[in-house]
Amino acid sequence: ETGVTQSPTHLIKTRGQQVTLRCSSQSGHNTVSWYQQALGQGPQFIFQYYREEENGRGNFPPRFSGLQFPNYSSELNVNALELDDSALYLCASSPLATNTGELFFGEGSRLTVL
Amino acid sequence: AQTVTQSQPEMSVQEAETVTLSCTYDTSENNYYLFWYKQPPSRQMILVIRQEAYKQQNATENRFSVNFQKAAKSFSLKISDSQLGDTAMYFCAGSYNTDKLIFGTGTRLQVFP
Repeated sequence: ETGVTQSPTHLIKTRGQQVTLRCSSQSGHNTVSWYQQALGQGPQFIFQYYREEENGRGNFPPRFSGLQFPNYSSELNVNALELDDSALYLCASSPLATNTGELFFGEGSRLTVL
Repeated sequence: AQTVTQSQPEMSVQEAETVTLSCTYDTSENNYYLFWYKQPPSRQMILVIRQEAYKQQNATENRFSVNFQKAAKSFSLKISDSQLGDTAMYFCAGSYNTDKLIFGTGTRLQVFP
C-alpha cells in the first residue's frame, strides 16, 4: 500500500510569486485535504477535494486554490505569495466512505517566502 | 464555534514513566470524533488514538490510552512506559461531523533517558 506523497519537500519563493504543491493520495482514498501549519502551530484546514470538486473550505483567501485529478492526486496553488504564507503545507487523504475523520498525512512541503 | 485547546506547550518525562497530555474541546455537535496525532521531527503526522464521542469506553492502543470526559469536554492522552521514540509534538484534534480536523496548538513531549 502506497502512502501519501508530496512534492517538493522544500522550496523558496519571493513575495508576489506563485507556487504549486503536489500530492498523491494513499491508494484507495478518494478524498484529499490540505492543511497549513505555521511554525509552532497546529495545522489549519485549507480545503478538501472529493471527486474533483471542492468539498469544504477553511478561512483562506481565494488566492489559495486547488485541483483534484481523476486519479485522486491533488495540487495546491497559491498566488501572490505573502511572507505569512511561509509554512509547512500538509496533504492528507481519507476514504470518505468511512466518515471516521481519520486522515493519513504526507510529510509536507516546507514553503519559505522571502 | 468548534475549538480544541491544549494548554501545555511542553512536557517532559523520564523513560519508562507515565505522562498525561491534556486537551479540552468545544462543540455543539452530538456526532464527533477526537484524535491524538503524533508529529515526530520527520514531520509526518501519525494517528496515535481515536475516540468516538458516542462510545463511553475510553480508547486504548497498547501504551496509549485516553481519558474521555464528555460532560467536561476533556480528552487527555496517557502514555505509559514512555520510550525515547515517543519524543514528538502531540496534537489533539476533533472532527465534528465532517472529515475536516480542527487541531490544537500542540504539546511538545521530550522523553529523557
